[in-house]
This record gives sequence, structure tokens and C-alpha cells, in this order.
Amino acid sequence: DIQMTQSPSSLSASVGDRVTITCQASRDISNYLNWYQHKAGKAPKLLIYDASTLETGVPSRFSGSGSGTDFTMTISSLQPEDIATYYCQQYNNLPYTFGQGTNLEIK
Amino acid sequence: QVQLVQSGTEVKKPGASVKVSCKASGYTFSSHYIHWARQAPGQGLEWMAIINPSGGRTTFAQKFQGRVSMTSDTSTSTVYMELRSLRSEDTAVYYCARDSIGTYVRGVFDIWGQGTMVTVSS
Repeated sequence: DIQMTQSPSSLSASVGDRVTITCQASRDISNYLNWYQHKAGKAPKLLIYDASTLETGVPSRFSGSGSGTDFTMTISSLQPEDIATYYCQQYNNLPYTFGQGTNLEIK
Repeated sequence: QVQLVQSGTEVKKPGASVKVSCKASGYTFSSHYIHWARQAPGQGLEWMAIINPSGGRTTFAQKFQGRVSMTSDTSTSTVYMELRSLRSEDTAVYYCARDSIGTYVRGVFDIWGQGTMVTVSS
């Protein structure tokens, strides 16, 4: 199975800050990488697919980059509603695997 | 609107089975594969399986082979996931999710159900 390693596991930042989360795959997954936002008690929400394509309706402050084994997701200006846990997920191979999550808090 | 609505909370004893439903609406049910994933308390997301609602073909993560089955009812646009021989480690929120592309598996989950809490306890 492909292992996905996310960092940091938790992050505290201020409103307006630029926030970056990284995700590393244990082997080359090309650009088959998604990012999801998961708020407590809610269903996960697709933010970014194909490593860098923003899902329809997702604010433009979210962006993604990377290919191969190293990926990043950036929030250009953190908003209070961005408080959530963020997961990367590879879909290059079955079984699809997720990173362990990054818990984002407001400082 | 496009949505997946799952069945309610379940409490089961070790060794029992649980069957969770996922009802789709707002799109052509047979056109999109449905995935199942779970999140145990304090843990991350774990992909379990996928079903083609049209025809019922399934693929499972090796970890769940032999313990999970899935069925599809096109008349009610509902997919069912049954997990057998439950143990305490199966306590988790179970999610169904739609694959974003119709007609083939892509692995991008664009619509998720609200989740079903399954507690396994004696």
C-alpha cells in the first residue's frame, strides 16, 4: 500500500496567515492526489483534485501543487471558517490511502 | 441537489454484523461508483471498498476481504455495506462517497454521506 505522510499533524495560525500543509507519498503517484477538508460532525469536503485543480465552489485562497511524491496545499489567507482537519488522499493505486490529517486551529 | 443520505447510528455486540445504507439522490445513480471509508475515534480516514451500482461489481481493501459485502438496489438508488464479525476496533464513523466521474473509477470522492456511527461494545 502507498503510505501518505502529512505534516504537520497540527497547526495553529492567525486569521490572515498563509498556511501550508505538506503530504509525501511513499512512491511516485504522479498527480493523483486529492485534498479534503473535514469539519467535526460533518462530511468531508473535496477541495482539490489532480493535485492542483480546485473543486467548483472552493474559495480561491486554497491552492495545491506538487507531483511525484511531494505535494503541498496552501491557504493564502486563513479565515475562521477554515478551521478543520485536512487530509490528502492518493488515488494512483488501490487501496486508496489518506494521510493522517492536519488539525488546523486559529491562534 | 446531489446528496447521499446514510442510515442512523448503530450499536452492536462483538461478533455481530451491521448493515449501513447509503441512499443517493439528485443524479443518475447507476452512473457513479460508490466508495466506503471509515474513521475510527482519534484516527484518520481509511478507504474500505468500492461498488459499481450498475451491476454490483465490488472491490475491497485486503484488510476487509471476507468480512465486508456490498449490494446495490437500483430501484431505490441505495447502496448497502455489511460488515460482519464485528470487533471493538470496528467502532468508527462509516462514510459512503461518490466517485466524481461517471462510468469508470477515478478515486476522487466529490460527494459524501453524513456518516454513520457504528459502536461495537459488549
